[in-house]
Amino acid sequence: AQSVAQPEDQVNVAEGNPLTVKCTYSVSGNPYLFWYVQYPNRGLQFLLKYITGDNLVKGSYGFEAEFNKSQTSFHLKKPSALVSDSALYFCAVRDASNTGKLIFGQGTTLQVKP
Amino acid sequence: NAGVTQTPKFQVLKTGQSMTLQCAQDMNHEYMSWYRQDPGMGLRLIHYSVGAGITDQGEVPNGYNVSRSTTEDFPLRLLSAAPSQTSVYFCASRWTDTQYFGPGTRLTVL
Repeated sequence: AQSVAQPEDQVNVAEGNPLTVKCTYSVSGNPYLFWYVQYPNRGLQFLLKYITGDNLVKGSYGFEAEFNKSQTSFHLKKPSALVSDSALYFCAVRDASNTGKLIFGQGTTLQVKP
Repeated sequence: NAGVTQTPKFQVLKTGQSMTLQCAQDMNHEYMSWYRQDPGMGLRLIHYSVGAGITDQGEVPNGYNVSRSTTEDFPLRLLSAAPSQTSVYFCASRWTDTQYFGPGTRLTVL
């Protein structure tokens, strides 16, 4: 069965420092991986996805994610964090069936302090 | 484009009451889905639809019904609300591999 794990409930980083939000996955076949962000009292917004190709994927708001097949990881990164990046981040994998369902991790709260 | 819209934004129900959460999208997406979000559990799929007239169950379908009579609308019905259904509900539509989420409905069942 497909699954996604986000091992950290919360990540704290100082503004201007690099940030990493971790995600590991378990899928059968080739993974379709996604990152979404949720700001307070808002719906989820798409950040980026990995389908195939380069292992480093660039997305919205300066975020990028590195796909590592051997470690089954898809960590979200940003070179220089902003206070406005503080939000809840979800990693997701697409279900292997043709339905295209998404399976989400439990979410990681990113807190960027000035 | 309004994207994905949901009504109401907030709702309080008493145990045993029924209600319908509305979801609409104006992007002509075939695929739509309903998720619930609970603290520490991420989003869990309730029901989904791959097109008008076609629906299927997700991970946590019990206590919920859906129908899809048009491409635009995908309402979620709570038949007899229970406190365990207190949650935030998100509707989403999908184009290729990207899902677009509505703003959510915060439901409290007393």
